[in-house]
Amino acid sequence: AQKITQTQPGMFVQEKEAVTLDCTYDTSDQSYGLFWYKQPSSGEMIFLIYQGSYDEQNATEGRYSLNFQKARKSANLVISASQLGDSAMYFCAMREGYSGGGADGLTFGKGTHLIIQP
Amino acid sequence: EAGVAQSPRYKIIEKRQSVAFWCNPISGHATLYWYQQILGQGPKLLIQFQNNGVVDDSQLPKDRFSAERLKGVDSTLKIQPAKLEDSAVYLCASSLGALGTDTQYFGPGTRLTVL
Repeated sequence: AQKITQTQPGMFVQEKEAVTLDCTYDTSDQSYGLFWYKQPSSGEMIFLIYQGSYDEQNATEGRYSLNFQKARKSANLVISASQLGDSAMYFCAMREGYSGGGADGLTFGKGTHLIIQP
Repeated sequence: EAGVAQSPRYKIIEKRQSVAFWCNPISGHATLYWYQQILGQGPKLLIQFQNNGVVDDSQLPKDRFSAERLKGVDSTLKIQPAKLEDSAVYLCASSLGALGTDTQYFGPGTRLTVL
């Protein structure tokens, strides 16, 4: 079974609109972390936002927010007021456990290609 | 603060040849990761180092891939011999390694083409 599922291979959005990128995850761990990364055409993975499984509030970072619904195992990324520079691949990732120095590599989804249209 | 550095940025080799990639993590970051990203997919973890010790190499194809982290700082990833299916971007990432909530910061990657 896929640990991270991103069901939207591609999305077209008008500039200045809000956009929601879907992510569902599968884990039996009680402690885990969810991440979103942006990958422009240059190839570098840029960290956007983090949500811990025990965090009670949804994470926010500027125009990015994470809609965390633990019971549904979903961690959707919301980008408010989209800009042309937001066009990129977006990856949802999960770290299982709370290792603090142990094995904590990320498991990534297949990504969503977001294109912002003027 | 300087980010994660990787070299070379691009490499083209023939199958059965060997190749090596280099990574310099963010200063002070104890944990270093190598990921493989095949076109159209998300990155997949190959190996994780904590200082100069291996923490997780369960997904590293050990018959052809090897990695080391010298003195707990720089790291090299080697493929010998390369196969066509090794064509991918190889991403290096680092984190402080002190807490389970650490963010991993990625380098620009090395794009490998095996002909």
